[in-house]
Amino acid sequence: QVQLQQWGAGLLKPSETLSLTCAVYGGSFTFSDYYWTWIRQPPGKGLEWIGEISHSGSTNYNPSLKSRVSISRDTSKNQFSLKVSSMTAADTAVYYCARRSAEGGWLFDYWGQGTLATVSS
Amino acid sequence: QAVLTQPSSLSASPGASASLTCTLRSDINIGTYRIYWYQQKPGSPPQFLLNYKSDSDKHQGSGVPSRFSGSKVASANAGFLLISGLQPEDEADYYCMTWHSSAVVFGGGTKLTVL
Repeated sequence: QVQLQQWGAGLLKPSETLSLTCAVYGGSFTFSDYYWTWIRQPPGKGLEWIGEISHSGSTNYNPSLKSRVSISRDTSKNQFSLKVSSMTAADTAVYYCARRSAEGGWLFDYWGQGTLATVSS
Repeated sequence: QAVLTQPSSLSASPGASASLTCTLRSDINIGTYRIYWYQQKPGSPPQFLLNYKSDSDKHQGSGVPSRFSGSKVASANAGFLLISGLQPEDEADYYCMTWHSSAVVFGGGTKLTVL
């Protein structure tokens, strides 16, 4: 059974950098049929795709966030991470990690529990 | 204008059917697009329901009842999620999603109330 467990700082000040990590348990981290993704959801609002990293380490980001976002991975630990720089109140959201799988047409099949990141001075 | 547009809310009675709409921006032809549907309940991450590209190219999520089905209507440039035999536990937020210009795009979500 695949599980994604995420963690990171929940309270940030404006201009600080958000750092989150997601650990993958119970499945192959480097299998070519998986992409490792970050998605966020502001309180009471909809979902926004942040970006992803592939089995080979290539990344793809939401154009609206690309200048402030970095996704990396540590294959030795089966973990991938998100950094969002220059955080503002508009970045306050629940951040989810997820696996995108080729089976069934590249869908998000496993999700982390979510981490609320609040930006406040 | 957003790539995917969903009505913000929809209400239906238990046992009835509900049709949730996901409209693609008018300059984009839905023909080649696969539309994904996710259900989200309060305090939980979204769960995959199904995706639909055509009658011969669609996928139902594991354990998702057959009363959830997808479709597309080219003339409306829209994808649809049909839920038949509504149950109280179907009350949730529903998001459509697709790929556009090498990026994942979500609709704004529809809050379905079953009452």
